[in-house]
Amino acid sequence: KQEVTQIPAALSVPEGENLVLNCSFTDSAIYNLQWFRQDPGKGLTSLLLIQSSQREQTSGRLNASLDKSSGRSTLYIAASQPGDSATYLCAVSRRYAGKSTFGDGTTLTVKP
Amino acid sequence: ETGVTQSPTHLIKTRGQQVTLRCSSQSGHNTVSWYQQALGQGPQFIFQYYREEENGRGNFPPRFSGLQFPNYSSELNVNALELDDSALYLCASSHPGTAASGKAFFGQGTRLTVV
Repeated sequence: KQEVTQIPAALSVPEGENLVLNCSFTDSAIYNLQWFRQDPGKGLTSLLLIQSSQREQTSGRLNASLDKSSGRSTLYIAASQPGDSATYLCAVSRRYAGKSTFGDGTTLTVKP
Repeated sequence: ETGVTQSPTHLIKTRGQQVTLRCSSQSGHNTVSWYQQALGQGPQFIFQYYREEENGRGNFPPRFSGLQFPNYSSELNVNALELDDSALYLCASSHPGTAASGKAFFGQGTRLTVV
């Protein structure tokens, strides 16, 4: 059974800091890994999708890496802003368009 | 804006009642998945529909059931509601054969409160 763990559960940083969020998974036989952002009481917004054959993806100030053999992914946020405050979730899928297994998220607070 | 629309946005029901939640996915998205997200936790997979057939189910009892229609919209039905069913219910759609292979697009969710 796939298990996804995200550390830390909560993180508070001053504006402008670079930060790293961690995601680990127990079964390396994944099809893809996706990072999401969730604002309080809202749905999920996809940030980055990494296929199992890829090592990283970048979008603006965000960079996600994947090390499938060790069961780890990191989300790097550069020059954090108060608007980045949200919960960040990672999810892995075992097959194409298959069910996703989610971590419980990291809640990020960026202070002005 | 993901193009996935869920209704209603909020709902309050009494224990023992039945509820139907709806999801309208993007055009051509023939796969829809439903998730339950309890407060402070990640979403948990309920089931998935592909071309109107159930295509995988998580660890949820039979009182959670679903439908997918020819236009690929979907419903989640929950019978005999329990207090623990209070959660945010999310649907996600995906389209095979796109460049973003396997990417799931989520709706804004339906907040169900059971009292």
